Amino acid sequence: DARVTQTPRHKVTEMGQEVTMRCQPILGHNTVFWYRQTMMQGLELLAYFRNRAPLDDSGMPKDRFSAEMPDATLATLKIQPSEPRDSAVYFCASGLELAGGRNEQFFGPGTRLTVL
Amino acid sequence: AQSVTQLGSHVSVSEGALVLLRCNYSSSVPPYLFWYVQYPNQGLQLLLKYTSAATLVKGINGFEAEFKKSETSFHLTKPSAHMSDAAEYFCAVSEEGGTALIFGKGTTLSVSS
Repeated sequence: DARVTQTPRHKVTEMGQEVTMRCQPILGHNTVFWYRQTMMQGLELLAYFRNRAPLDDSGMPKDRFSAEMPDATLATLKIQPSEPRDSAVYFCASGLELAGGRNEQFFGPGTRLTVL
Repeated sequence: AQSVTQLGSHVSVSEGALVLLRCNYSSSVPPYLFWYVQYPNQGLQLLLKYTSAATLVKGINGFEAEFKKSETSFHLTKPSAHMSDAAEYFCAVSEEGGTALIFGKGTTLSVSS
């Protein structure tokens, strides 16, 4: 049963600390997405990769957030330094993009981040 | 620019009643449309997706949605609600299958006995 996995599931940290969230996409998928969910803003796209190359990170605060894919089995989202307004649930999703296809995205369980 | 509007942030129905969750989209090109469900403390699960093959799309758990281009709508329905349907439902749009999704604000469905 292929699933997207995310670690950690919960993270509590203090303002100013570095936070790293990890995602393992489903094997064989070639697209990876990072979303952030808050009560106020709902679900927002932060970054999007295709074949490990970043295609869109316009939704991400560049001064403190960074997203990478060191290899096909790992995507990371890093916040440095973290701020209380970063408190949210961060979801990773992966999908298989085919030419002309309408692929779906499979979501991980999320990382609930609390910045004090 | 694409956008999705979900009318009603909260819908309450009785068990056995019809479920109707509304979604209207805005897209300059033929859209790709999706409905996702999120149970408490879980990730999003795909309910159904629109393909141009049929305007009436059947999904999991007895849900279906009808694509109406003239109304730019993709409302989600289920003939008879079950207690286990209580969750948050998100409508989403993308212009191509591989690009990121634009989500609506979500509708919380409550089901009472």
